[in-house]
Amino acid sequence: EVQLVESGGGLVQPGGSLRLSCAASGFTFSSYWMHWVRQGPGKGLVWVSRINSDGSNTDYADSVKGRFTISRDNAKNTLYLQMNSLRAEDTAVYYCARPLMSGMSGLDPWGQGTLVTVSS
Amino acid sequence: DIVVTQSPDSLAVSLGERATINCTSSRTVLYSSNNKNYLAWYQQKPGQPPKLLIYWASTRAYGVPDRFSGSGSGTDFTLTISSLQAEDVAVYHCHQYFITPYSFGQGTKLEIK
Repeated sequence: EVQLVESGGGLVQPGGSLRLSCAASGFTFSSYWMHWVRQGPGKGLVWVSRINSDGSNTDYADSVKGRFTISRDNAKNTLYLQMNSLRAEDTAVYYCARPLMSGMSGLDPWGQGTLVTVSS
Repeated sequence: DIVVTQSPDSLAVSLGERATINCTSSRTVLYSSNNKNYLAWYQQKPGQPPKLLIYWASTRAYGVPDRFSGSGSGTDFTLTISSLQAEDVAVYHCHQYFITPYSFGQGTKLEIK
């Protein structure tokens, strides 16, 4: 079964840091680009970042560029999101997601998400 | 950046009736080299992650009932539920994956009338 499981969320003060992880199983992780998408409380989906299959190419939303870093460890089948200089507006459920097919397409599957709350 | 806008924001439809949700992209998401529209639709129920319904604007994902269909090309797209079932109550999102930064519509909340 293809599965993505996020972890690492929690409560952090403004200006603080957090690292999210996404453990992948049931597919050849090293063959797929991977994405992070977030959803603020009661709000819509916002694409955050993507990384190519070998980790050599990354893209970010303008709202997180320079503060967040996406990375991956293909030996551990794990995707990461390092979040620094966190702001209240970064409060959201963070999902990792894989394209349905190698390359880019609709995203499927998604993990269950991990909640990040930025508050003093 | 491509801005994706959905309409309406919310919709109430009677059981068995047709539901239609629209999605407009500020720029084309049609890639002329392969004639594919880089647009997807998702269904999201409370407390759950989004579920892929449609990709390439009109291809149903595996296991998605055939009452769900996607249409459109270029900048204007539609998700249609031909005969609304109770289990279709959810928020629906469209998503362009043509160019980064990828973007989603604001979501459409579908309810039973």
